[in-house]
Amino acid sequence: QQQVKQSPQSLIVQKGGISIINCAYENTAFDYFPWYQQFPGKGPALLIAIRPDVSEKKEGRFTISFNKSAKQFSLHIMDSQPGDSATYFCAASSSGNQFYFGTGTSLTVIP
Amino acid sequence: EAQVTQNPRYLITVTGKKLTVTCSQNMNHEYMSWYRQDPGLGLRQIYYSMNVEVTDKGDVPEGYKVSRKEKRNFPLILESPSPNQTSLYFCASSFHENTEAFFGQGTRLTVV
Repeated sequence: QQQVKQSPQSLIVQKGGISIINCAYENTAFDYFPWYQQFPGKGPALLIAIRPDVSEKKEGRFTISFNKSAKQFSLHIMDSQPGDSATYFCAASSSGNQFYFGTGTSLTVIP
Repeated sequence: EAQVTQNPRYLITVTGKKLTVTCSQNMNHEYMSWYRQDPGLGLRQIYYSMNVEVTDKGDVPEGYKVSRKEKRNFPLILESPSPNQTSLYFCASSFHENTEAFFGQGTRLTVV
C-alpha cells in the first residue's frame, strides 16, 4: 500500500509556465515532508522541505503548499525552465527516519 | 568534498551468489539508509540506521541485510540474490533524523 500518493506521473510544461505536482498521505503521524529532484544518472537531491506547522514555504521559484486537514501537499515551480526537467519525488516521514516516497513525476519543460 | 560513495556502480550477478554493496559517507552523519528505485514504484526504503550498531527495517527489507559497525560505513548485503532484486539502489545519509538526506550516485544491480 502506497503511503504517499503522487500525481501526475508525467508533466509537460512550456518554458515560463507553472509546474504543479501533488501528493497525498494518510498517516497523520508524518511530520516532515521533503521534495527531491533527480536528474538522469544521479541520486536524488533535496529541493525543499516543509513541516506541518506552516502552510507554505517558498525558496526562489519553488513553493510547497501544505494542507494539513486535507492531508495533501504540493510543489509549485514558477517560471519553469528547461533546466528544471527532471524527476520529482515527494516524501513523508515521522520520527525515527523511516521515509515513504511517492512514485515520482517526470517533468519536461519545453523551450 | 562532502559525499556519499557507493561501490560498485554497476553489477551483474547470478541468482544465489552472495554480494555486498558498500556505502561510505564522509560527513560524520548519524543516520544512513538504503533505498531501491524501481520504475513506477518510486524509492522504497530497505533499511535505515540511527547510529553504530542500531538498524531498523524499512518498507521492503525482505532478502536484504545491513550492518553498521562504523559510523561512516553502511554496507548492503544480499545473501542469496534473486531476479526480483534487480533494481537501482541508493544509499543516503543525514545528520539528524528527518533532515536533508544526501544520496550516493546509485548502484545498478542486475540478477540473472
